[in-house]
Amino acid sequence: EAQVTQNPRYLITVTGKKLTVTCSQNMNHEYMSWYRQDPGLGLRQIYYSMNVEVTDKGDVPEGYKVSRKEKRNFPLILESPSPNQTSLYFCASRPPFSRGGLDNEQFFGPGTRLTVL
Amino acid sequence: AQSVTQLDSHVSVSEGTPVLLRCNYSSSYSPSLFWYVQHPNKGLQLLLKYTSAATLVKGINGFEAEFKKSETSFHLTKPSAHMSDAAEYFCVRGGGFKTIFGAGTRLFVKA
Repeated sequence: EAQVTQNPRYLITVTGKKLTVTCSQNMNHEYMSWYRQDPGLGLRQIYYSMNVEVTDKGDVPEGYKVSRKEKRNFPLILESPSPNQTSLYFCASRPPFSRGGLDNEQFFGPGTRLTVL
Repeated sequence: AQSVTQLDSHVSVSEGTPVLLRCNYSSSYSPSLFWYVQHPNKGLQLLLKYTSAATLVKGINGFEAEFKKSETSFHLTKPSAHMSDAAEYFCVRGGGFKTIFGAGTRLFVKA
């Protein structure tokens, strides 16, 4: 089954304790992205990756790191989590541009609910 | 900067009546536009996407959206609401690399 998986699905941690949220896709997509969802703000893009070893900042990258060493995996790293990073996180991947040069839709993982105390 | 504005944070309709969720986007040469739905405690599901082949786009579950370049709008409609439509809806703009989500519209459906 074509899917994007995230782990863990739920995480409660304390301020300053490094953590990694994994994301993996089995659709051979080049583009992957991380978002955070907060009430009233929709989803905001944290980082995206156009391909292996190619990453760039989204709109809210502060406090996050990513890496893209393999095509299928795109982990999100919080080196020193703080309470304001308590949020619902989504990973997504996307196939190449459709005919006409427009974006194809993204496929989203099930989400990771992170609480930082 | 690119932007997406969903004009209503909440919309309430009665079952069987029409639904209109409004979305405006910042102008661009060729916007990539989508509507996604998120049911409570669930992930995101694609409702429909603008492909440039037609200005009226049909999606799943009876939803449609009309792309109006002159108004920079991509409003989502459904002729008759069902209880199962109660969810949060996001208008999304792509554009190559970055993706911009609207803040979301929560749809309530009354019996």
